[in-house]
Amino acid sequence: QKEVEQNSGPLSVPEGAIASLNCTYSDRGSQSFFWYRQYSGKSPELIMFIYSNGDKEDGRFTAQLNKASQYVSLLIRDSQPSDSATYLCAVNWAGFSTLTFGKGTMLLVSP
Amino acid sequence: DAEITQSPRHKITETGRQVTLACHQTWNHNNMFWYRQDLGHGLRLIHYSYGVQDTNKGEVSDGYSVSRSNTEDLPLTLESAASSQTSVYFCASSEKTGADEKLFFGSGTQLSVL
Repeated sequence: QKEVEQNSGPLSVPEGAIASLNCTYSDRGSQSFFWYRQYSGKSPELIMFIYSNGDKEDGRFTAQLNKASQYVSLLIRDSQPSDSATYLCAVNWAGFSTLTFGKGTMLLVSP
Repeated sequence: DAEITQSPRHKITETGRQVTLACHQTWNHNNMFWYRQDLGHGLRLIHYSYGVQDTNKGEVSDGYSVSRSNTEDLPLTLESAASSQTSVYFCASSEKTGADEKLFFGSGTQLSVL
């Protein structure tokens, strides 16, 4: 069974700090990896995706992928209170056309 | 602007009733999905469709059905609502399959089955 694991949190960081969110997945045949942000009572919104090993940067966000370790992470630099949300990791496996989501990590950024 | 719309936003129904949740997208995306989200389980796929007349079962499809008669709409029907189907339901759409499956979600329907 394809599984995506995330620490449920909450992860608490002070404003201006780097928040590090982690995700592991069960199958080495994974193709692509996505990070979604979900504010309380709202729908998930895509913030980052990564296909290749290494780092991918987009503004204050950096996604890191290590396929050998089956590990993907999201770094948020200069965290703001508005970043407080649940972050969902999603994985697409080769041969499958749908995403599998982790349960999400709640991030709390305190002023 | 193109969007994906779900209705109703909130629904209360009784056990055993048939319920239909609507999903309408104006992006002209071929792929549409229904997920449910519950505490402790995250987002789980119910049904999905890759085009008109195409429907597929997801991880938790028992008790649910969908139909795709046009590109814009994918209604989700609960044949006989059960309390275990109390949940938040999200519809989503995407343009491509496989590695490029970037989903765009509707605002959700909160369903309560009493």
